[in-house]
Amino acid sequence: DVKVTQSSRYLVKRTGEKVFLECVQDMDHENMFWYRQDPGLGLRLIYFSYDVKMKEKGDIPEGYSVSREKKERFSLILESASTNQTSMYLCASRATGSTDTQYFGPGTRLTVL
Amino acid sequence: RKEVEQDPGPFNVPEGATVAFNCTYSNSASQSFFWYRQDCRKEPKLLMSVYSSGNEDGRFTAQLNRASQYISLLIRDSKLSDSATYLCVVTTEDYKLSFGAGTTVTVRA
Repeated sequence: DVKVTQSSRYLVKRTGEKVFLECVQDMDHENMFWYRQDPGLGLRLIYFSYDVKMKEKGDIPEGYSVSREKKERFSLILESASTNQTSMYLCASRATGSTDTQYFGPGTRLTVL
Repeated sequence: RKEVEQDPGPFNVPEGATVAFNCTYSNSASQSFFWYRQDCRKEPKLLMSVYSSGNEDGRFTAQLNRASQYISLLIRDSKLSDSATYLCVVTTEDYKLSFGAGTTVTVRA
């Protein structure tokens, strides 16, 4: 059974804090993604990675960075959290190929106070 | 203009009814199309892919109209368990997925 896990389900941080969100997949997928989901806006792509140490900006990369040192792990970093980064963050992975399914983790609901 | 647009609903239907809704996409180069289902406070999960000739999966039927750039989902004989938000997903040639904001369906007893 495929599995994508995220380090936290709920997280509360203060403005200016550095925040790490971790995602791990056990399917040996090459592609991994970070999205945020906000009401009325759907899922928006923050960053994605085609392979280890490779990263590409998505549609809304500002205020975020990522790290992929190992194939199974993709980290999202908020260098200095702001209140407008309060959101649901979803990680996903996918095998190479545009028709393959993306598998999502359970999500991290981040609140920045 | 958003890449993928959906009627947010909610569509409130009785058990046993048929409900259908569309999704439009703006990029004519889009290559693959999917419907995902997302339950409240859960992650999205693939419901079905959408093929050019249209396809069925049990009570669910998906259609693609490339000329008008929309896809549709029809649910027959609705069950209470069909209550969810349905996300329209489109891929482009660079393999990126674009998600609609979702259509909420509520099936009542």
